[in-house]
Amino acid sequence: DAGITQSPRHKVTETGTPVTLRCHQTENHRYMYWYRQDPGHGLRLIHYSYGVKDTDKGEVSDGYSVSRSKTEDFLLTLESATSSQTSVYFCATTRGSYEQYFGPGTRLTVT
Amino acid sequence: AQSVAQPEDQVNVAEGNPLTVKCTYSVSGNPYLFWYVQYPNRGLQFLLKYITGDNLVKGSYGFEAEFNKSQTSFHLKKPSALVSDSALYFCAVRDTGKLIFGTGTRLQVFP
Repeated sequence: DAGITQSPRHKVTETGTPVTLRCHQTENHRYMYWYRQDPGHGLRLIHYSYGVKDTDKGEVSDGYSVSRSKTEDFLLTLESATSSQTSVYFCATTRGSYEQYFGPGTRLTVT
Repeated sequence: AQSVAQPEDQVNVAEGNPLTVKCTYSVSGNPYLFWYVQYPNRGLQFLLKYITGDNLVKGSYGFEAEFNKSQTSFHLKKPSALVSDSALYFCAVRDTGKLIFGTGTRLQVFP
């Protein structure tokens, strides 16, 4: 968790509403990632960023968008939340020899 | 595409006994392999990695992993399990700019 915070930590929202999750890092790392964790699926990559304004899709990017306007912040937006997006969302950064370090997670419930 | 598989959803072991959590990989080129642990309601924590060099890699909390190229495996091991080792364990492989995670293995250590 060192150096990475996520907000909010918990959120309940209704189907069809937009939702934005924030990841903030304090250590100036270039790479940042958004994952979702679901039982039986492990962690699946949603989007990642390799620099300010540089982002790419992961394996489960449909229904999600991201933005990175400054190094320390990586935002994940659910444009119109659906019940299938109920999950725990983790942000991560890369340091050292490719290992990633994770934030504490955001538990999102879409009703 | 790079991938990892964790064939066991759950591993049960008695405290004091050795433990093994299995991981196999499929990669093109040389693999960069990782193990992570997740305690309840926490983010993932990095345990150890294999990039190159010795096939036996030592990591945090007394864990080690054995890289076996002929069997395409990277099993996590500990000589003597503790109840506090009970957690969810993930194997991962590096793909360009990101990590691909397995589905996870729940380790339960009984007193």
